[in-house]
Amino acid sequence: GNSVTQMEGPVTLSEEAFLTINCTYTATGYPSLFWYVQYPGEGLQLLLKATKADDKGSNKGFEATYRKETTSFHLEKGSVQVSDSAVYFCALRGAGGFKTIFGAGTRLFVKA
Amino acid sequence: SAVISQKPSRDICQRGTSLTIQCQVDSQVTMMFWYRQQPGQSLTLIATANQGSEATYESGFVIDKFPISRPNLTFSTLTVSNMSPEDSSIYLCSVADGTWVQETQYFGPGTRLLVL
Repeated sequence: GNSVTQMEGPVTLSEEAFLTINCTYTATGYPSLFWYVQYPGEGLQLLLKATKADDKGSNKGFEATYRKETTSFHLEKGSVQVSDSAVYFCALRGAGGFKTIFGAGTRLFVKA
Repeated sequence: SAVISQKPSRDICQRGTSLTIQCQVDSQVTMMFWYRQQPGQSLTLIATANQGSEATYESGFVIDKFPISRPNLTFSTLTVSNMSPEDSSIYLCSVADGTWVQETQYFGPGTRLLVL
C-alpha cells in the first residue's frame, strides 16, 4: 500500500540556517504530494503541493520538488525564521484515490 | 478556500461517556472526512462522511464507536462513544471539493479531547 516516510525530529536550527526535511514515499502510479504545517495550538495548513513528476511546489520561501526517480519530496528553505517553528507533515494522495496518507511529522525548532 | 469551524475546541470527559463534535464549513463541499491525531503522532483517517448515507470507515474504526452524521453539504458530526483514555486525541474535520486528485484538502482547527 501507499506510505510516507519522513525524517524524525525534532530538528533544531538557528535563525537563518538552511532547512531540509526529507520525505520519501511508496505508491503505485502517480500520486499527488503535499507538505502541511501545524503551528503550535493550530490545525493543519497546506504549505505546498505538487501533482506530477518534476513539479516544484513553493510557498513562504519553502520549496519541494516531486522526484519520481528517487520517490522523494524533500522540503527546503534557505533561511529559517523563529516563526517557522512548527510540525511539518509530508503527505501523499494516491492517483484516483480518496485517502491522504500522512508521514509521522517532523518538529522544527528555530532558535533566535 | 474553505473555512472550517469545529465545536467544541477542547473538552475533558469522563470514561464511559460520549462526546459529539461538530464540523461546519462556510461553503458546500463534496467530501468531508474525520481524522484522529493521537499525542505526538501523525493523522489517521477515521472515515469519510457521506451525505445522506452511512459513512465509510477505515480499517480499525467502526460505526458503533464513531457514529458520523452528514445531513447536508456543509455540516457533519462525529461522536466518540463510550470513551476511554485511549481516545484522548485531537479530532480533525477535513473537506475537499472539485476534482479530487487536484483539489486542496482543508483542515479544521481540531477538537482536543482528554478522557480521564
